[in-house]
Amino acid sequence: NAGVTQTPKFQVLKTGQSMTLQCAQDMNHEYMSWYRQDPGMGLRLIHYSVGAGITDQGEVPNGYNVSRSTTEDFPLRLLSAAPSQTSVYFCASRKGTENTGELFFGEGSRLTVL
Amino acid sequence: AQSVTQLGSHVSVSEGALVLLRCNYSSSVPPYLFWYVQYPNQGLQLLLKYTSAATLVKGINGFEAEFKKSETSFHLTKPSAHMSDAAEYFCAVSAYSSASKIIFGSGTRLSIRP
Repeated sequence: NAGVTQTPKFQVLKTGQSMTLQCAQDMNHEYMSWYRQDPGMGLRLIHYSVGAGITDQGEVPNGYNVSRSTTEDFPLRLLSAAPSQTSVYFCASRKGTENTGELFFGEGSRLTVL
Repeated sequence: AQSVTQLGSHVSVSEGALVLLRCNYSSSVPPYLFWYVQYPNQGLQLLLKYTSAATLVKGINGFEAEFKKSETSFHLTKPSAHMSDAAEYFCAVSAYSSASKIIFGSGTRLSIRP
């Protein structure tokens, strides 16, 4: 039972570098999302998707891009990393698009930008 | 717009004592409310949720929460703390009519004293 799988678990980047955080789910969930977790600030929504080909911005989308070409995958791209993007990133998915459902989270990706 | 406030970034109780974690919400439409738990180095897991049915909601591991509309609160309680309850707890709010955004609080770290 894989659930939500995130890779890599750890990454160190230099300012200005680009990278992609991968997220895959095997539960055929329509809804997928990316959050960042920072001390004292809880989880903040970056981007989300309600289905293949559909994405939308969350609370803190600047500096991040997403795409949803398949139901299973929802990669998060950092085009030019900045120290302010040092954080722990979580991908989460949910069956259906109604807000009553449970979010299933990956184990997180810890990113450090120097 | 919706928001959630968790009072107390850190709560410490003795083993066997009552656990009370506070959450107040703001929502212009009927809210859906959730409590998630995060154990060290893991993603979040759903503890319980309120989706306009019974106002007293029971969750996993002996936790429960009561929705009080007049107080705009959804506090989490457990009658007797166990060492395994040590974790970070997040309250979250969403709405059926919102564009699939779920807003999390800043979290409360629960410590259990032997």
